[in-house]
Amino acid sequence: QQQVKQSPQSLIVQKGGISIINCAYENTAFDYFPWYQQFPGKGPALLIAIRPDVSEKKEGRFTISFNKSAKQFSLHIMDSQPGDSATYFCAAETSGTYKYIFGTGTRLKVLA
Amino acid sequence: ETGVTQSPTHLIKTRGQQVTLRCSSQSGHNTVSWYQQALGQGPQFIFQYYREEENGRGNFPPRFSGLQFPNYSSELNVNALELDDSALYLCASSPGTGDYGYTFGSGTRLTVV
Repeated sequence: QQQVKQSPQSLIVQKGGISIINCAYENTAFDYFPWYQQFPGKGPALLIAIRPDVSEKKEGRFTISFNKSAKQFSLHIMDSQPGDSATYFCAAETSGTYKYIFGTGTRLKVLA
Repeated sequence: ETGVTQSPTHLIKTRGQQVTLRCSSQSGHNTVSWYQQALGQGPQFIFQYYREEENGRGNFPPRFSGLQFPNYSSELNVNALELDDSALYLCASSPGTGDYGYTFGSGTRLTVV
């Protein structure tokens, strides 16, 4: 019940395309869902986050879509660029605990 | 000083030895957590410190221990190292309130041989 399932494991997208990464969870106590971006040799960096009281949050080219009833959320990267090539992790937290459950990661490669 | 800094960046230890990893949290952050990231996996929560007290622990054995100091810097100690302890160890800090998320350091790559 503490797991966050992430898919796909890897993704190849053409420059300018849309990258979509999906996550699913079981624990209904989770109420904060951040996405992190990690480049090789670096720690994860917060990209965007959402709470379940909204169904969508957009920041620049990055959008989170959230489906509370299905217990699923996804990251959409519009107009994907080669510089977006990185590993992306979804995570879930019960508010205020700061104990994140991370997905297994998606390695994104954007072709120039 | 901004950001989370960790030292050392790389470390090689022999099975059975002990290791101490260090972390300086971002200025103003009073909550520090440690994560273990095995190759190709997502980070796994080890434990968290809030104002020098352990404030939650993941599914790690007692040979993983930690400290937080009055300036909110932190240490992760691992005793009796095992080969499976080889991983990237990440320190993350947070101001403890609000939706700021964690700020992660770049990690310490530990190799146990």
